[in-house]
Amino acid sequence: QVQLQESGPGLVKPSQTLSLICTVSGGSIRSDTYYWSWIRQHPGKGLEYLGHIYYSGSTYSNPSLHSRATISVDRSKNQFSLKLTSVTAADTALYYCATDTSGSPWYFDSWGQGTLVTVSS
Amino acid sequence: EIVLTQSPATLSLSPGERATLSCRASQSVGSFLAWYQQKPGQAPRLLIFDASNRATGIPARFSGSGSGTDFTLTISSLEPEDFALYYCQQRNYWPRTFGQGTKVEIK
Repeated sequence: QVQLQESGPGLVKPSQTLSLICTVSGGSIRSDTYYWSWIRQHPGKGLEYLGHIYYSGSTYSNPSLHSRATISVDRSKNQFSLKLTSVTAADTALYYCATDTSGSPWYFDSWGQGTLVTVSS
Repeated sequence: EIVLTQSPATLSLSPGERATLSCRASQSVGSFLAWYQQKPGQAPRLLIFDASNRATGIPARFSGSGSGTDFTLTISSLEPEDFALYYCQQRNYWPRTFGQGTKVEIK
């Protein structure tokens, strides 16, 4: 069973870059079965799909991020990452990595526990 | 972007009662809609996919219906552990989007 674990700084200063890593266990980041996604949840709010990366390296980022997001993969470490540049207080959120393991793409049945990122000086 | 509007925002019910949650899409998403349950301090849990298919391990009291723009999640008889937040999500369009959630609370 695929398990995901987010890691990264809990505090980022405004205008700097938010960097998060998702470590995958129980499955290979090289698998052509899964899309590896990032989703965030603003405090007390709903869920926002940020983007994904496929094993081939192809990526998608939500246009709402205005090209600030980069998603990449480190096959040697079985990890994928999110970098979000020029952050503001509006980027304060709980960040999840997630994937679909059930064979139904784009329905997220495996999630990390989430990591809270606060943007503040 | 597809906007998913969930109603009601809050549903106050007692254990054993039937819960009916609605999700309306701003345009047709076919049957490509999922429902998730989220409890405090936990990640969302997939309940229903493709509008009406229960995910692995989900009890039969959860059922989904609908297509096009109007979808319903029904919990036939609420158990104490079902009081939580519920979100819908579409996968027919980019970006994938979620509804704003319905809170099912104990009356």
